This record gives sequence, C-alpha cells and structure tokens, in this order.
Amino acid sequence: GNSVTQMEGPVTLSEEAFLTINCTYTATGYPSLFWYVQYPGEGLQLLLKATKADDKGSNKGFEATYRKETTSFHLEKGSVQVSDSAVYFCALIRGAGNMLTFGGGTRLMVKP
Amino acid sequence: EPEVTQTPSHQVTQMGQEVILRCVPISNHLYFYWYRQILGQKVEFLVSFYNNEISEKSEIFDDQFSVERPDGSNFTLKIRSTKLEDSAMYFCASSDEARTNEKLFFGSGTQLSVL
Repeated sequence: GNSVTQMEGPVTLSEEAFLTINCTYTATGYPSLFWYVQYPGEGLQLLLKATKADDKGSNKGFEATYRKETTSFHLEKGSVQVSDSAVYFCALIRGAGNMLTFGGGTRLMVKP
Repeated sequence: EPEVTQTPSHQVTQMGQEVILRCVPISNHLYFYWYRQILGQKVEFLVSFYNNEISEKSEIFDDQFSVERPDGSNFTLKIRSTKLEDSAMYFCASSDEARTNEKLFFGSGTQLSVL
C-alpha cells in the first residue's frame, strides 16, 4: 500500500538557518505529493504540492521537488524565521480517490 | 478566509460512552472528511462523505463509527462506544472538489481523551 516516511523531530534551528525536512514515499504509479503545515492551535494547511515528476512546489519561501528516481519530496527553506515554527506533514494521494496518506509529521522549532 | 470549525476543541469521555464530534465545513463545500492522529503516530484517513453517503472509508472506520450531515451546515462523527484506543486528535476537512488538492481545508481538530 501507500506510505510516507519523514524525518522525526523535533528539528531545532536558529533563525536564518537552512532547513531540510526529508520525506520519502512508497506508492505505485505517480502519486501527487503535498506538504501540509500545522501552526499551534490551528488546522492543517496546504503549504505546497507537486503533481508529477520533477515538478517543484513552492510557497512562502519553502520548496520541494518531486523526485521519482529517489521517491522523495524533501522540504527546504533557505532562511527560516521564528514564525515558521510548526509541525510539517508530508502526504500523498494516489489514484482517483480522496484519501490523503500522511507521514508522521516533523516539529520545527526556530529560535531567535 | 473561510474556515472549517470543529467543536469542542477538547473532549473527555469515559470508556464505553458515546461521543459526537462536530464540524461545520465551509458553506459551499460538498465533500467532507474525517482524519485522526493518535499521539505520536501518523494522521490517518477515516472516511469521506458526499451527497449524504459515505464515498470511501478506511479499515479504522468500523461499526462503532458513523457520520452524519444532520442539517445543511453540520457534519458529525459519532463513536458509539468509545475505547481507550480511540483517544486521538480528530480532524474534519472539506472540499468543493472530488479530488483533494489545494481546495482541501482542515479544521483545527478535536482532542478526544477516553478514560
């Protein structure tokens, strides 16, 4: 079946540091890939997505590239801010259904 | 910006009791979902609902679970007889499209604690 594996947290960084959160997936065919973010006390929000191989999703300075050859969708940001502190979830959809398959989430803490 | 509203934010119940988690999806949305996250584990799909019937459900969604859209605004998840292992954060989501993409909106969740 489909699965998503992401690095365990928490990840603690200083402001302006470079961020990478690794995500790999297992799925047949060509899933669509997503990163969701959950800020404290809020719901899951879509951060970015990519729907085919080599697509790059980007939003708010975050980027992730759909790598079919390594089945990965790593999240990166060049310079994190305190306001980026949140839990980040990698997810996929495979096929025509509505079901998102999530990774376990990675908590990011950014210190001033 | 429109948002999905879930109530209550925290619910504590005794094992064996019935519990109803409430969600108000975005008003023009037609597709509704429940997900849950047990502490320290992955967010898991429970069920999707469209046109007053379940369109897809996971293995987790057994006979103890049911969903309902009792009126034009609410979408509820009922657990008939709660078990300790039902303790989790439950997320409601809604969409105006069949295929989930950036149009999927999540609520902030209800933390259910079964004692």
